[in-house]
Amino acid sequence: ETGVTQTPRHLVMGMTNKKSLKCEQHLGHNAMYWYKQSAKKPLELMFVYSLEERVENNSVPSRFSPECPNSSHLFLHLHTLQPEDSALYLCASSVDFATNEKLFFGSGTQLSVL
Amino acid sequence: GDSVTQMEGPVTLSEEAFLTINCTYTATGYPSLFWYVQYPGEGLQLLLKATKADDKGSNKGFEATYRKETTSFHLEKGSVQVSDSAVYFCALSDEGGSYIPTFGRGTSLIVHP
Repeated sequence: ETGVTQTPRHLVMGMTNKKSLKCEQHLGHNAMYWYKQSAKKPLELMFVYSLEERVENNSVPSRFSPECPNSSHLFLHLHTLQPEDSALYLCASSVDFATNEKLFFGSGTQLSVL
Repeated sequence: GDSVTQMEGPVTLSEEAFLTINCTYTATGYPSLFWYVQYPGEGLQLLLKATKADDKGSNKGFEATYRKETTSFHLEKGSVQVSDSAVYFCALSDEGGSYIPTFGRGTSLIVHP
């Protein structure tokens, strides 16, 4: 148990659906991250939030929309996704942004887009 | 920009065999280097790190040495166990990238009894 919880663990959605991924951390961390993990590709950074402000948006298509209502919760809202968006979506947190501290990861949401 | 290159997997070994997973990096500054491990069905967790040249990170029998001259950070273990079966990610972070880790593609390790 790393202290970072992601729900749901698995999600299957059609290309016209709207769904949301949820991430929660109770570590008292100030920075939260979304990464995309696809087979045989490097882990891709999507978004970074520090103290609820977005500090990094790594050229992610607008069909992915993040939300950070407080420092413990992070959402990724999904709409009109494409089959190539099928992947494992990982949430992570760290004590602060722009420090050399390790990341704590959740177990991920395995997303399949039909 | 920064990048990390890892050897292709899967790496398949018998129990008690010697393990090496190669990692090389490109960075503009003086990065810190990390190995993360992802066990089946779990997220990544930090295995070890090294913050400057010639440092050796070690944990759970794994070790890696920061080699600035060859820009490498190879992961080694003298005797692997079945429980070491996982995906291993090499990563770097530096000031130029706001210390956000840049990861490689991961190398899958399968250890047979």
